[in-house]
Amino acid sequence: ETGVTQSPTHLIKTRGQQVTLRCSSQSGHNTVSWYQQALGQGPQFIFQYYREEENGRGNFPPRFSGLQFPNYSSELNVNALELDDSALYLCASSKDSGGKYFGPGTRLTVT
Amino acid sequence: AQSVSQHNHHVILSEAASLELGCNYSYGGTVNLFWYVQYPGQHLQLLLKYFSGDPLVKGIKGFEAEFIKSKFSFNLRKPSVQWSDTAEYFCAVLNYGGATNKLIFGTGTLLAVQP
Repeated sequence: ETGVTQSPTHLIKTRGQQVTLRCSSQSGHNTVSWYQQALGQGPQFIFQYYREEENGRGNFPPRFSGLQFPNYSSELNVNALELDDSALYLCASSKDSGGKYFGPGTRLTVT
Repeated sequence: AQSVSQHNHHVILSEAASLELGCNYSYGGTVNLFWYVQYPGQHLQLLLKYFSGDPLVKGIKGFEAEFIKSKFSFNLRKPSVQWSDTAEYFCAVLNYGGATNKLIFGTGTLLAVQP
């Protein structure tokens, strides 16, 4: 176990809806990053938060947004869901630029 | 842009066979390299990492990897696999972009070990 938790475990939404996924980082970690893992693919970087500010973003549209809170927990929000958003969403925490530890993920299905 | 290639998409081995999974990366500068494992129904776990120093890195569960700079490779090895090693294995490189350090993953290798 890494100490990184995510909720919910599974989620089913319909196209056009909005979703919020949550992540609690490992104790002592101040950096949270989010990854999308589509079926049969490696995880793809969405964005990273450090001390409550986004400090890096991958090739994802603005409808993917996030927040980091003072306790370093984080949320990933996705608006206007599309079928292709169906994937496993992974949260990873780290301290500064150290090794990343992943949570169990949230499986999102968009119908 | 950096990229990671894993050439073996599916590997099937019998117990006690030796394992080598290939990983090549595209960046020519200083690299930090990782192997992660994802057991069925479980989260990504760090197997081992290379930052600097001895290019032969030992990780958990008897795995090791060798960083060969001239070949841009970081292959994962295990002398004798067990049924419990059945999992998906991901190679990743850490990409530093300003304040951001993101992992770039390969597409993964699915390993099935037959008892």
